Amino acid sequence: EVQLLESGGGLVQPGGSLRLSCAASGFTFSSYAMTWVRQAPGKGLEWVSTVSGTGGSTYYADSVKGRFTISRDNSKNTLYLQMNSLRADDTAVYYCAKDEYSSSWNWFDPWGQGTLVTVSS
Amino acid sequence: DIQMTQSPSSLSASVGDRVTITCRASQSINSYLNWYQQKPGKAPKLLIYAAFSLQSGVPSRFSGSGSGTNFTLTISSLQPEDFVTYYCQQSYSTLRTFGQGTKVEIK
Repeated sequence: EVQLLESGGGLVQPGGSLRLSCAASGFTFSSYAMTWVRQAPGKGLEWVSTVSGTGGSTYYADSVKGRFTISRDNSKNTLYLQMNSLRADDTAVYYCAKDEYSSSWNWFDPWGQGTLVTVSS
Repeated sequence: DIQMTQSPSSLSASVGDRVTITCRASQSINSYLNWYQQKPGKAPKLLIYAAFSLQSGVPSRFSGSGSGTNFTLTISSLQPEDFVTYYCQQSYSTLRTFGQGTKVEIK
């Protein structure tokens, strides 16, 4: 069974940093791209970032580009999101998701349970 | 970036009703369109991928259609557990985007 378990969320002051982790199991981690999606309280889903299976290619939403860094350690089956220069509007539940694929089609499945990041003084 | 627009933002329906949710892309995305269901306090769950392919384990009352810029999610007969929020998401671009969501409420 595929499992994704996020950790690292918490309360941080504006301008601060936080690193999220997502521990993966039940599949060949290095064979799949991985993604972070966030959801602000009471709001919709926002794609944040995706990293390729090797870690060599990364993609970011404009809202986080230059502040967040996605990475992975395939030896530890773990995905990371380093978040710097945090702002109040980064407050959200952060989900990691496996980029499942078939031929040229991609989708997010499954998702982790999420970790809450609160940016506040 | 590709913008995804869902309509309506919310709808009221009754158990047994047939409902349709629409998702429109700002440019053609072929059939690179996925649908997710999210229950309150839970992570999203994949319903439909590649516009019309039903994810394993998802009830057959859910169906997807469309290509290019216009897509629909149809629930043929609403069940009590279906009164939650639904999102579309495009995977045509590496910069993935979601629709704003459609909340299905009990009338």
